[in-house]
Amino acid sequence: DAMVIQNPRYQVTQFGKPVTLSCSQTLNHNVMYWYQQKSSQAPKLLFHYYDKDFNNEADTPDNFQSRRPNTSFCFLDIRSPGLGDAAMYLCATSRGGGDRNSPLHFGNGTRLTVT
Amino acid sequence: GQNIDQPTEMTATEGAIVQINCTYQTSGFNGLFWYQQHAGEAPTFLSYNVLDGLEEKGRFSSFLSRSKGYSYLLLKELQMKDSASYLCAVRLHGSGNTGKLIFGQGTTLQVKP
Repeated sequence: DAMVIQNPRYQVTQFGKPVTLSCSQTLNHNVMYWYQQKSSQAPKLLFHYYDKDFNNEADTPDNFQSRRPNTSFCFLDIRSPGLGDAAMYLCATSRGGGDRNSPLHFGNGTRLTVT
Repeated sequence: GQNIDQPTEMTATEGAIVQINCTYQTSGFNGLFWYQQHAGEAPTFLSYNVLDGLEEKGRFSSFLSRSKGYSYLLLKELQMKDSASYLCAVRLHGSGNTGKLIFGQGTTLQVKP
């Protein structure tokens, strides 16, 4: 089945130790998104790609970086995780291209714990 | 700024009907989505409205009034498995053709026997 896959499902890292979360998709969608969701809060958009064009949200900390080496894969790098970065990180895709009724398809998320 | 408001929690009885409201004030509007999210899982798409009126999909319906900045999700014949968080999200006009979604904080629905 075509889908959005995130690895790992659970990730534990130490304070200040760089960590990378990965996302892959078989939907061949143009747009890929990274959201951060803390407990009982709305998913918060960090950044998104339309193909290789990168769009950073104004309030996304510099500590967060992203890479999209090809259509299928996207990575979230947290350079120096702090305790406040513990959250569920959701990757999503959509067709884009002006198809405004194209919903976002989410992966199962990676729950990050910072010790 | 973008503002999307939903009630934090609701409780309803199995077999009943429940309406979850969402109001929004956003810089631009390119459609409204409803997602269901069970605890610890990813959101799953339920419905989409871009024009005023009601969209029906089985036990779920969603309504939009663009002039009032208002939507609701209607769940009929509630089942225990409907206990989840329901997220309202507005699609903004994105740079290029990305149309990014901004989410409300979600309404946690508890269905009781």
